[in-house]
Amino acid sequence: DADVTQTPRNRITKTGKRIMLECSQTKGHDRMYWYRQDPGLGLRLIYYSFDVKDINKGEISDGYSVSRQAQAKFSLSLESAIPNQTALYFCATSDPTQGAGGYTFGSGTRLTVV
Amino acid sequence: GENVEQHPSTLSVQEGDSAVIKCTYSDSASNYFPWYKQELGKRPQLIIDIRSNVGEKKDQRIAVTLNKTAKHFSLHITETQPEDSAVYFCAANPRDSGTYKYIFGTGTRLKVLA
Repeated sequence: DADVTQTPRNRITKTGKRIMLECSQTKGHDRMYWYRQDPGLGLRLIYYSFDVKDINKGEISDGYSVSRQAQAKFSLSLESAIPNQTALYFCATSDPTQGAGGYTFGSGTRLTVV
Repeated sequence: GENVEQHPSTLSVQEGDSAVIKCTYSDSASNYFPWYKQELGKRPQLIIDIRSNVGEKKDQRIAVTLNKTAKHFSLHITETQPEDSAVYFCAANPRDSGTYKYIFGTGTRLKVLA
């Protein structure tokens, strides 16, 4: 199911480097989210967006920034990567016409900061 | 803000037995509770959900129950099969979420032993 696509799938980067994770969707959903997954900590919300003019911080936004380039595209940037940002990152979308409907997740980006 | 606790963190059952995963939430205004299954190396996928005006919902071998007074909800899997082995996440949709920015539990790793 390629309707929420994340690139890259895997990335190793060095401490201090800037890195961008990209998410694109063909579902036509307005709402997009970035979560990070760490073992034992579940999924934690980094940023979310209702539309291209709306960006909101989540639980753990420090050290991250986002850009909503179009309805279909939502990018997450690490301005200066640090090792504790090593995690699995998921983009997700949701459809408000479904009420409190479930998310559709992308396949994830595994990021390692060395 | 909303806090979701999930127990147990790991659960092993014999094939054919039942499995129960429990979650508690803190925000009494939370109104939607989805459950996600994440197989190894894959994205989380919605398996069942329940709204706050319903006490129980079933879908074949899977059921979810909600106790609003006690602020807890549970996932029940009957007649477990090896393909049920995965990590399961509960989530709650908190008070201010016309945004549907779910707060997730920390996950339960279910192992079904053949």
